[in-house]
Order: sequence, then structure tokens, then C-alpha cells
Amino acid sequence: EADIYQTPRYLVIGTGKKITLECSQTMGHDKMYWYQQDPGMELHLIHYSYGVNSTEKGDLSSESTVSRIRTEHFPLTLESARPSHTSQYLCASSGASGRSGYEQYFGPGTRLTVT
Amino acid sequence: GQQVMQIPQYQHVQEGEDFTTYCNSSTTLSNIQWYKQRPGGHPVFLIQLVKSGEVKKQKRLTFQFGEAKKNSSLHITATQTTDVGTYFCAGWSPGGYQKVTFGTGTKLQVIP
Repeated sequence: EADIYQTPRYLVIGTGKKITLECSQTMGHDKMYWYQQDPGMELHLIHYSYGVNSTEKGDLSSESTVSRIRTEHFPLTLESARPSHTSQYLCASSGASGRSGYEQYFGPGTRLTVT
Repeated sequence: GQQVMQIPQYQHVQEGEDFTTYCNSSTTLSNIQWYKQRPGGHPVFLIQLVKSGEVKKQKRLTFQFGEAKKNSSLHITATQTTDVGTYFCAGWSPGGYQKVTFGTGTKLQVIP
């Protein structure tokens, strides 16, 4: 089982609040990703990072921001939560040294509800 | 931008029947991966295909990568109830900083 962690697992928060979703991995992977997934739907890449101090936006327009100050840590921040942000957020990591190159290991996800 | 479509969106099969899902990219891919997501779970890596025309097998699962590296398929022989879940392909763009796009997914239900 891959060592990638996400906290909190579930979060219910009011509109306008600032929130940070945490993601950490202990595999030394240089690449990390954030996806948004509504129940039963496809995964949308919202941010990715190929190393420390490197972050890029994905295909899905997002009002969130990320930072990558340490290899193992890739937090996602929403400055002002809105009901439209209600979804599941999945963090993943991959390293070229993995058994299949860019194989992604996913965390358990954070299910966010904004009321 | 790159789009990756999968068909069918849903598939119900009797246990023991075969199942196939198809993945089509709007652009040429560097490589393609397949993931399985069980209900309530997170995606789990199944396999990666890199070469044009590549075919790989994992027990009852057969994966193919098209000659043009724009499409792929996953075929399951003699489905079992443990095969239930959503199957996603994930296409990686060519270039120095590769970017991944997940397919729309195929949800498989197996009727015992």
C-alpha cells in the first residue's frame, strides 16, 4: 500500500471560510497532483507539481492555490469556500523511479461540503 | 486542450460475460495508463502502455494501445463480481513536462 495521506477525510464548512487540504507522501516522489472528482464522475486535474517550488495549473479552472515548499508536502488552499466547491479532492504522487514510471499513487481523498 | 473520452459510460454484464471499454484521445499520447476505482475508493493503478500497438495481459485483463497512440482498450474475460468498479484510462501528453488527462470512465456492474 502506498504511503500518501490526506487530511481531513471529511470537512463540512460554511461559505466564505478559508480552508487548507493537506497531502503528504513518504515515498520521496517528485511529482504530485490534485484532482477534483464528483461522485461517479471523471477526475479533473486542478494542480500539479514536478518538484519543490514548481507548481502548475491543470485543465480545470479552479479558485484554489497550492504550494510545494517540501518534497513530501503539497497542500491545497481555498481562500473563500463556495457551495460550488463541494466535491471530493484526491491527491496523488508519482516518481520516475517507480515500477512503472509515472504510475500515480492516490490518497484516500477529502470529501468537502460547503454549506 | 487534450480530451480523453471513454465508451461506454456504463456497462451491466452477467457474471462470466466479457467486458470491453474503449478510450479515445483527441491528441497523440506519450503513454497511457489504466486505473480501477472501487465504489467509495480511490483510483488504483493497473497498467501502463508505452509503445505503439502494445498489448499487455494481466490474468483475465487484456490492454491494448493503438498504432497511432491515440486510443486504447481494456478487455476483461469472464467477469467476476470482484471486477465491479469504474475503469479510467489516463493519457499522458508528449513533451518534457508531461501532463495527464483522465478519461471519462466506464462504470462496470456485474450481476451475479
